[in-house]
Amino acid sequence: DVKVTQSSRYLVKRTGEKVFLECVQDMDHENMFWYRQDPGLGLRLIYFSYDVKMKEKGDIPEGYSVSREKKERFSLILESASTNQTSMYLCASRLTGIAYNEQFFGPGTRLTVL
Amino acid sequence: RKEVEQDPGPFNVPEGATVAFNCTYSNSASQSFFWYRQDCRKEPKLLMSVYSSGNEDGRFTAQLNRASQYISLLIRDSKLSDSATYLCVVISDSWGKLQFGAGTQVVVTP
Repeated sequence: DVKVTQSSRYLVKRTGEKVFLECVQDMDHENMFWYRQDPGLGLRLIYFSYDVKMKEKGDIPEGYSVSREKKERFSLILESASTNQTSMYLCASRLTGIAYNEQFFGPGTRLTVL
Repeated sequence: RKEVEQDPGPFNVPEGATVAFNCTYSNSASQSFFWYRQDCRKEPKLLMSVYSSGNEDGRFTAQLNRASQYISLLIRDSKLSDSATYLCVVISDSWGKLQFGAGTQVVVTP
């Protein structure tokens, strides 16, 4: 069974803290993605990675960085958390290929920055 | 203007009825289209792809209208379990990045 896991379901941090969100997939997928989801705005792509060590900016990368040292793990880093980064963060993975394959999502991390 | 727009709803539908809703996209070069389903406090999951000729999957029918740049989803014989938010997804670039609409909420009532 396909599995994408995220390190925490709920997280509360203070302004200025460095925050690490971890995502692990067990499907040997090449592509991994980080989104944030806010009411009325839908899912917005923060960063994506097409393979190990590779990363590309998405639509809203400001204030975030990522790391992909191993194929199964994709980390999202908030260098200095701010209140406007309070959101639901969703990780996803996808098998690469000629056709655009289904993206599988993790359960999400609800981050609150105080 | 958002790249993918949806009516947020909610669409309140009696059990057994039919409901349909659309999604418009702004990039005429978009090449792939999908509907994802998201249950309350859960992650999105692929419902179905949308093909140029239209396609059915059980009670669900998806259509694509390239001339008017919209896709549609029709649900027949609605079940209580169909209550969810339906996310329209469009791929417009060579990276295969997904552009999501904000979702249409459907509430099926007994």
